[in-house]
Amino acid sequence: AQKVTQAQTEISVVEKEDVTLDCVYETRDTTYYLFWYKQPPSGELVFLIRRNSFDEQNEISGRYSWNFQKSTSSFNFTITASQVVDSAVYFCALSEPFGGGSQGNLIFGKGTKLSVKP
Amino acid sequence: DVKVTQSSRYLVKRTGEKVFLECVQDMDHENMFWYRQDPGLGLRLIYFSYDVKMKEKGDIPEGYSVSREKKERFSLILESASTNQTSMYLCASSTGKTGANVLTFGAGSRLTVL
Repeated sequence: AQKVTQAQTEISVVEKEDVTLDCVYETRDTTYYLFWYKQPPSGELVFLIRRNSFDEQNEISGRYSWNFQKSTSSFNFTITASQVVDSAVYFCALSEPFGGGSQGNLIFGKGTKLSVKP
Repeated sequence: DVKVTQSSRYLVKRTGEKVFLECVQDMDHENMFWYRQDPGLGLRLIYFSYDVKMKEKGDIPEGYSVSREKKERFSLILESASTNQTSMYLCASSTGKTGANVLTFGAGSRLTVL
């Protein structure tokens, strides 16, 4: 069965600390996509990154970086030098198998609430 | 720069009332989704639609129905609201037919059923 686990329910850090949000997934597919979304207090989920299962290169975007490891079925997200504006709920998601009426719907983890204190 | 608009940010309804949650997107996306978000449970898919007049059940469709008469509009209907439907409801849209689809979300509608 498809599953996404975000074991950290809440994390609290002080500004400028580095923080890593964990995401572990389960799938039998060989082709799939992984995503991270950010939900700030305003409520609207914002897309951060998409990764396909054939691309294990790590990615860096400013203070954000993502580590994708198929061997451990993990897609972790690191924020370097955190800021108060990073406070949000972060969701990891996995695409469902294609076909059978799904056409790649997303399965979301339960989210990790990050609080960055000044 | 508005993309996915949910008509009501906050609603308070009484048990047994019929509730309509409206969602409109201006990106000409063919796919639209309704999710429910509850603390500790994450996002759960209620219904989705890949085309006009087409709908598919998600993981938790019980107690809900949907309508998609126009491509840009996807409505979620609670025929007889109950207190356990108090939640945050999120609408999303996407284009494409693969798992690579990036969802664009609305700001959410927080429904309280008394």
